[in-house]
Amino acid sequence: GQNIDQPTEMTATEGAIVQINCTYQTSGFNGLFWYQQHAGEAPTFLSYNVLDGLEEKGRFSSFLSRSKGYSYLLLKELQMKDSASYLCAAVDSNYQLIWGAGTKLIIKP
Amino acid sequence: IAGITQAPTSQILAAGRRMTLRCTQDMRHNAMYWYRQDLGLGLRLIHYSNTAGTTGKGEVPDGYSVSRANTDDFPLTLASAVPSQTSVYFCASSDTDSTDTQYFGPGTRLTVL
Repeated sequence: GQNIDQPTEMTATEGAIVQINCTYQTSGFNGLFWYQQHAGEAPTFLSYNVLDGLEEKGRFSSFLSRSKGYSYLLLKELQMKDSASYLCAAVDSNYQLIWGAGTKLIIKP
Repeated sequence: IAGITQAPTSQILAAGRRMTLRCTQDMRHNAMYWYRQDLGLGLRLIHYSNTAGTTGKGEVPDGYSVSRANTDDFPLTLASAVPSQTSVYFCASSDTDSTDTQYFGPGTRLTVL
């Protein structure tokens, strides 16, 4: 079956760095997305990786290893507004998104 | 309209009633999607449409139907609502397919009693 695994909840301190991991098992693979979702709001796009390696966008970076079925989202210089759920989603061979349950990130002052 | 809108914002519905959730986008995106989001389960795809005039079934299509008469609108209908359909429903659109960024509407919170 197809599966996305990510931690349910993580806690970090304002100003610190946090890494949110995601492992995936899909029938075929056509890329991996990270979305941010604040409580009570809609998901918003953060990143898309289809090739191995690290992509950096300001305070956020995303990494992909296709051979390991693994990705992570790295958040630097954490701010209170980064408190949200982070959703990992892989595109399978049928071009459908398989979503993880999300990682709730709690930022403490 | 800017982006993607959904209506209603929330709804309480008696079991057995018929309900249509509306979704409209003004980005001229070809693909549109309906998801439900339940606590601890993440987003699950109900139905999708790759282009006007075509629709497809997602992971959890039973009890739901959709239509795509034009590019902008993608309504979701619950023919006879049941309590297990209590959820938050998100509509989304993307330019071509699932490798493109999906833009989400604000969601509809549906409670079926």
